[in-house]
Amino acid sequence: DAGVIQSPRHEVTEMGQEVTLRCKPISGHDYLFWYRQTMMRGLELLIYFNNNVPIDDSGMPEDRFSAKMPNASFSTLKIQPSEPRDSAVYFCASSGQGFSGNTIYFGEGSWLTVV
Amino acid sequence: AQSVAQPEDQVNVAEGNPLTVKCTYSVSGNPYLFWYVQYPNRGLQFLLKYITGDNLVKGSYGFEAEFNKSQTSFHLKKPSALVSDSALYFCAVRDETGGFKTIFGAGTRLFVKA
Repeated sequence: DAGVIQSPRHEVTEMGQEVTLRCKPISGHDYLFWYRQTMMRGLELLIYFNNNVPIDDSGMPEDRFSAKMPNASFSTLKIQPSEPRDSAVYFCASSGQGFSGNTIYFGEGSWLTVV
Repeated sequence: AQSVAQPEDQVNVAEGNPLTVKCTYSVSGNPYLFWYVQYPNRGLQFLLKYITGDNLVKGSYGFEAEFNKSQTSFHLKKPSALVSDSALYFCAVRDETGGFKTIFGAGTRLFVKA
């Protein structure tokens, strides 16, 4: 299995620009998660989906952030407009269906720098 | 709401010695507990988990963890550390009644000296 695939791996953008991060979960997984990792705040859960439906978005920091999952094999996390404090590593992860004890598997991350 | 604490920012151990990375948790219902490892510039890799059953869980790369319900702890252990074990370790908790929301600790950096 190819695992969770994220793109881009690295992005440098200017403040005010729109940023779109993309994720392809593991085939057959019906839970998808977006996490953000920073030195100051550690690993934060932003949002997670089940069967393409957002279940909990309480971690989304503000309206500049939005996430979609149009189908079972694709999700996006968008930041518009971006700010320097959004600089972080954004991880997408997925998990299998049914049993809530299932393991979450992470992608390699998208390293975002906003200048 | 669930929470997890890793009280040590860094753990230093000599190669060949046993290692312990500590984790305590708080949940409303029964916990599902996980350990992950992160190497530089990489994503998190799953090591092991506790769902139910035997309190001692064995995982990848010789790691194990002991679930202690009375102390609400889930410490990660390895009998003999390797230099290659040096990495960032995360404990995570999920409440069985809280769906799939999984909260991670702040991480503990393990440094194994040759």
